[in-house]
Amino acid sequence: SQQGEEDPQALSIQEGENATMNCSYKTSINNLQWYRQNSGRGLVHLILIRSNEREKHSGRLRVTLDTSKKSSSLLITASRAADTASYFCATDKGGAQKLVFGQGTRLTINP
Amino acid sequence: DADVTQTPRNRITKTGKRIMLECSQTKGHDRMYWYRQDPGLGLRLIYYSFDVKDINKGEISDGYSVSRQAQAKFSLSLESAIPNQTALYFCATRAGGGENTEAFFGQGTRLTVV
Repeated sequence: SQQGEEDPQALSIQEGENATMNCSYKTSINNLQWYRQNSGRGLVHLILIRSNEREKHSGRLRVTLDTSKKSSSLLITASRAADTASYFCATDKGGAQKLVFGQGTRLTINP
Repeated sequence: DADVTQTPRNRITKTGKRIMLECSQTKGHDRMYWYRQDPGLGLRLIYYSFDVKDINKGEISDGYSVSRQAQAKFSLSLESAIPNQTALYFCATRAGGGENTEAFFGQGTRLTVV
């Protein structure tokens, strides 16, 4: 079963706007990761946030983690057409180092 | 060259045929994984391996088998393909020895079973 559930499933915004995607999970984790997938291509790692971190930045990306609510959010600021892709959260419970993926959010940036 | 290479990239096969998907990596990582992606279902783990002698089932291993021929090579086999195994298959690697590491993915193999 999927560990992470993402919301919304699809998001369409205008170029320049900010995009926020949410991920909820069920069990305790060591870290949570966000990946990007361009249509039909392999996934690319964006950012990793550890369970003892609350916020992390990387360029135009901002990730938050609330372990009490078992949720994370990914914010992409000043979106560009090239940000159009599917975004997945993945949780790592440690031990077996298995990443468990959510169903993804399909983001469309309209020019 | 890509760090994680999957072959073939696309394959159409008939029901009942045996097919092998191959994955090789130049990352030097111990951990390798096979995932399956279906529309709307995200990625689901089929099998994973921590070294040549260590193979583990994931959440959807029925109908699949794997072989870790070397540290750099991890192949996935469908012994008798069926149409509901039509999907996009991904190989991934992670560095071992620590838990807070990212995964590196191949470009995927699109498999169609007719």
